[in-house]
Amino acid sequence: QVQLVESGGGVVQPGESLRLSCATSGFTFNSFGIHWGRQAPGKGLEWVAFMRSDGRYEWYADSVKGRFTISRDNSKNTLSLQMNSLRAEDTAVYYCARDGVVGGMGGYYFDYWGQGTLVTVSS
Amino acid sequence: EIVMTQSPATLSVSPGERATLSCRASQSVRSNFAWYQQKPDQAPRLLIYGASTRATNIPARFSGSGSGTEFTLTISSLQSEDFAVYYCQQYDDWPLTFGGGTKVEIK
Repeated sequence: QVQLVESGGGVVQPGESLRLSCATSGFTFNSFGIHWGRQAPGKGLEWVAFMRSDGRYEWYADSVKGRFTISRDNSKNTLSLQMNSLRAEDTAVYYCARDGVVGGMGGYYFDYWGQGTLVTVSS
Repeated sequence: EIVMTQSPATLSVSPGERATLSCRASQSVRSNFAWYQQKPDQAPRLLIYGASTRATNIPARFSGSGSGTEFTLTISSLQSEDFAVYYCQQYDDWPLTFGGGTKVEIK
């Protein structure tokens, strides 16, 4: 079955960095784009970043552009999110999610989600 | 950025009754639209994509309709496991955006 498992969350101070990972299984990883989304405590969902299946294109929310970098290793079926210059407003549960369209050229909907990893940015 | 607005914020419904949730987009998203369900301390689950196509293993009591700027999620007969928060999402343009959510609670 399709599985996505996030790791790497934790507590950091403002301005520090953190790297999240998403390990996947149960599907042909290099055929799907993968997203990162997040949910601040008690708040709604926010899309953060997307990388296409071939790793050649990526998109970011304006709130993280220039600070976060998405990457993928198709040989290891993993996705990463490097988060730099973290701010208090980045505090959230971060989810990785599979894009719903196989071989899609852009972002669509999210058909499978991981359980999330909590990132807390606090002094 | 396309803004998604959900209404109502909270919907109180008795088990067995019909629930109707709405979502409006600030500009046309055609049928590039999805609905999700999220229960406490769980990841969201895809319910509907393409505005009206049920995702895998989603019961037939969930149905989606609409196109352009107005969308509706209908739950025909609420079961106990359906009390949750529901989010809409557009994927017509970047950035992908979600609505603020509708909480369906027991009346």
